Amino acid sequence: GAVVSQHPSWVICKSGTSVKIECRSLDFQATTMFWYRQFPKQSLMLMATSNEGSKATYEQGVEKDKFLINHASLTLSTLTVTSAHPEDSSFYICSALLIRDRDNSPLHFGNGTRLTVT
Amino acid sequence: QKEVEQNSGPLSVPEGAIASLNCTYSDRVSQSFFWYRQYSGKSPELIMSIYSNGDKEDGRFTAQLNKASQYVSLLIRDSQPSDSATYLCAVPAGGTSYGKLTFGQGTILTVHP
Repeated sequence: GAVVSQHPSWVICKSGTSVKIECRSLDFQATTMFWYRQFPKQSLMLMATSNEGSKATYEQGVEKDKFLINHASLTLSTLTVTSAHPEDSSFYICSALLIRDRDNSPLHFGNGTRLTVT
Repeated sequence: QKEVEQNSGPLSVPEGAIASLNCTYSDRVSQSFFWYRQYSGKSPELIMSIYSNGDKEDGRFTAQLNKASQYVSLLIRDSQPSDSATYLCAVPAGGTSYGKLTFGQGTILTVHP
């Protein structure tokens, strides 16, 4: 079946550094990918919609200059957390839709990336 | 009112019992509804989707949808300890069927032997 791969699974970085997270659709093309964030004991919150070949669309309250999204191909979207701070520590999860199943299609989620900023 | 609300947990049921999880949503034009299961430290996995009023059964899982009441539920029959997880109700944002999901806060289910 369709698989969304996310890398790395976990990362620890120092405050002020940048971290890049990759999201790949392994056996299908995804013109649109979504980035979610989940803080401990909270639900998933959509951060942004990543569109292949165009700028990402950010949800209200998400800083586009801090969370850089690049969707350069139909199978890869990257999220870069710039100048990370401890409050950015969270579980970041990407997801993708199959192109052929745009209507009423549930999302396929990656395995998530646990980011810890020290 | 939150867009998607789930019954407060945690919910604890004995093995073999029926677990009932409830969700209400605020956007009347919503057409698609999803239940995800999330184990601790893992990403969500889809267990049920429902688009029409009524019941939809898949193995031990039954989703029930009532659009008039803006209510969707998930029943887990013959609950197993492996069903212990957080269950998330999700509705496409803005009432569309296109990918962006709004999640409820989740209900933690514990099935004890």
